[in-house]
Amino acid sequence: GESVGLHLPTLSVQEGDNSIINCAYSNSASDYFIWYKQESGKGPQFIIDIRSNMDKRQGQRVTVLLNKTVKHLSLQIAATQPGDSAVYFCAENPNNNAGNMLTFGGGTRLMVKP
Amino acid sequence: DGGITQSPKYLFRKEGQNVTLSCEQNLNHDAMYWYRQDPGQGLRLIYYSQIVNDFQKGDIAEGYSVSREKKESFPLTVTSAQKNPTAFYLCASSLAGWVNRSPLHFGNGTRLTVT
Repeated sequence: GESVGLHLPTLSVQEGDNSIINCAYSNSASDYFIWYKQESGKGPQFIIDIRSNMDKRQGQRVTVLLNKTVKHLSLQIAATQPGDSAVYFCAENPNNNAGNMLTFGGGTRLMVKP
Repeated sequence: DGGITQSPKYLFRKEGQNVTLSCEQNLNHDAMYWYRQDPGQGLRLIYYSQIVNDFQKGDIAEGYSVSREKKESFPLTVTSAQKNPTAFYLCASSLAGWVNRSPLHFGNGTRLTVT
C-alpha cells in the first residue's frame, strides 16, 4: 500500500550546523503533512505542519518544505542544538475520509555532536 | 494543563492475560487514536474513534479491542489473541477531521511487556 518513508535512518550533525531531514511520500491524495519529534521514552511532539496548498512554512528555527511534484517533504533545523537530538517522523493525512488519522514514516534519528 | 494522560507508564503481564491500557484527554477533542510502536520503527494505527460511541479498525486491529463511552476516554484492551503484544503503545487525540486538518497530540505512552 501507499506509505510515507525516509531516505536516511540516522543523521549526525555538529552543534551549530543546520540539519535537513528528508521524507518521501507516495500518496498523491495526501493534503496535510506534519513533522514530529520523539525523545526516548516519550510520545511524539508536534513540531510543524503544512497543507498541500503551500510549499514552505517556517517556525522557530524550523522550516518545512513540500514538493508535491516529486512527493518530497523536508524539515530544516537551523543552528542545531544538543536538545534537538531525537527521532524525527514525518506523517501524512491521506485524505481518505478517516478524519485526521495520520500515516507515519519510519523515522530518522538526529544526533548532535557537541 | 491540557493534555493526554496514559497510564501506567510500564505494564507487565503474563502471556494469555488480557490487559487494558488507559488513555484520558482533557483537550475536548472529538477524535482519539491508538498507535503501536516497535523498537526502531514508526507508528502503526490500531484503532481510531472520531466521535463518542463510534470507532474504526486501523491497520493492525487484530487482537485488540477498544471502547469510547466517554469523549475524554479511549481505553485499549490487548487480548490474548494478539500474537506479539510487547510494544510501546501511544494514544493520541485531535479535533474532528471534518472541522479542519489539525495535528494529533500524543500522550507519553505505555510500555507493555508480556512474558
